[in-house]
Amino acid sequence: NAGVTQTPKFQVLKTGQSMTLQCAQDMNHEYMSWYRQDPGMGLRLIHYSVGAGITDQGEVPNGYNVSRSTTEDFPLRLLSAAPSQTSVYFCASSLTGTGHYNEQFFGPGTRLTVL
Amino acid sequence: LAKTTQPISMDSYEGQEVNITCSHNNIATNDYITWYQQFPSQGPRFIIQGYKTKVTNEVASLFIPADRKSSTLSLPRVSLSDTAVYYCLVGGSARQLTFGSGTQLTVLP
Repeated sequence: NAGVTQTPKFQVLKTGQSMTLQCAQDMNHEYMSWYRQDPGMGLRLIHYSVGAGITDQGEVPNGYNVSRSTTEDFPLRLLSAAPSQTSVYFCASSLTGTGHYNEQFFGPGTRLTVL
Repeated sequence: LAKTTQPISMDSYEGQEVNITCSHNNIATNDYITWYQQFPSQGPRFIIQGYKTKVTNEVASLFIPADRKSSTLSLPRVSLSDTAVYYCLVGGSARQLTFGSGTQLTVLP
């Protein structure tokens, strides 16, 4: 199993550009999520999905869109990049998002810089 | 959502036992306590989860008192490779988990 994969590893954008961060998992997990981590801080939840076709907002959803058309994939779209979105983005998955056992498996991260 | 408080940083020496305490005074009845470890430039990794009393696995122990307002992660005989940030999270499901700033553990030779 590859676990959780993310592409790209690094990305530089100009203000106003759009892009999609890719995330995939091969563990048949129902729950997937996106976090951002700013320097010296913990992770903040952007969006999450409890299954294909179901998404919801987390703590910091503004400026980001998600969709979940398959169990495996959960892309994160930046609609119009801003310097405030410079961060490291982590995708994670877990077997379920509703049960108490919530071990999440994290991808390697995408380091995004917006100029 | 339950808020957690943990020390910003801790230092230890190789071979020592390390205890990191987390306060969560407003923990709810259905909340579980979960600890994650994060190395630089990597995503967090699950360490251990518990509800009450003591839980032990191959890498750590988690002690939770009866009132559940705090918890202590215990790492036995740490090595240099245990240097990382440790996060204490409280919630009833994955979507309820909030990562705070964590505790930077530095293991010295």
